[in-house]
Amino acid sequence: GAGVSQSPRYKVAKRGQDVALRCDPISGHVSLFWYQQALGQGPEFLTYFQNEAQLDKSGLPSDRFFAERPEGSVSTLKIQRTQQEDSAVYLCASSITQSGDYGYTFGSGTRLTVV
Amino acid sequence: SQQGEEDPQALSIQEGENATMNCSYKTSINNLQWYRQNSGRGLVHLILIRSNEREKHSGRLRVTLDTSKKSSSLLITASRAADTASYFCATGLNSGYSTLTFGKGTMLLVSP
Repeated sequence: GAGVSQSPRYKVAKRGQDVALRCDPISGHVSLFWYQQALGQGPEFLTYFQNEAQLDKSGLPSDRFFAERPEGSVSTLKIQRTQQEDSAVYLCASSITQSGDYGYTFGSGTRLTVV
Repeated sequence: SQQGEEDPQALSIQEGENATMNCSYKTSINNLQWYRQNSGRGLVHLILIRSNEREKHSGRLRVTLDTSKKSSSLLITASRAADTASYFCATGLNSGYSTLTFGKGTMLLVSP
């Protein structure tokens, strides 16, 4: 596609519910990132994929967070047993290169609200 | 990881005026990037400046980079109401992949 597509656009989850957020990067983009953005804050790094390999997951806040990109294209961020502090916008970004030296293309994000 | 810190946190100007935002970071970088985020939307890549560049232009945008001071500035000339958004700088590392690190951003309000 022409850009990075994320779905759903909005998600309301009851506390304790599991959620799955989808990212469809630009075709052919090697690098894929997930970021979490709390209200009024800048995005914070969660995890990085180079093709299907998850090379960095140091930003995942707890073992309730899990991400995968099994075929090196679409990625899913899963949050188990959601908590209120998980409420945020989850952004996905992709880059054609490993180093990102041509910039990153971000999706519009998924706004997760845990009630 | 690198960290960009934007300054000021908020900036309010009139249409037609210039807007200048600054960014400081902590360690050596491969490149520095500026992004814009409209309320409730994703980030849009504006411009990337490499560590061996000192100035770069793109339309009404002018970016400078001073690696000795570990700082960058973004100048938007002849601002428009549509420029109202939050602006973030992010730094890319010297090797391998770059987990861009963002500050809290500068919120720019351009009034008609």
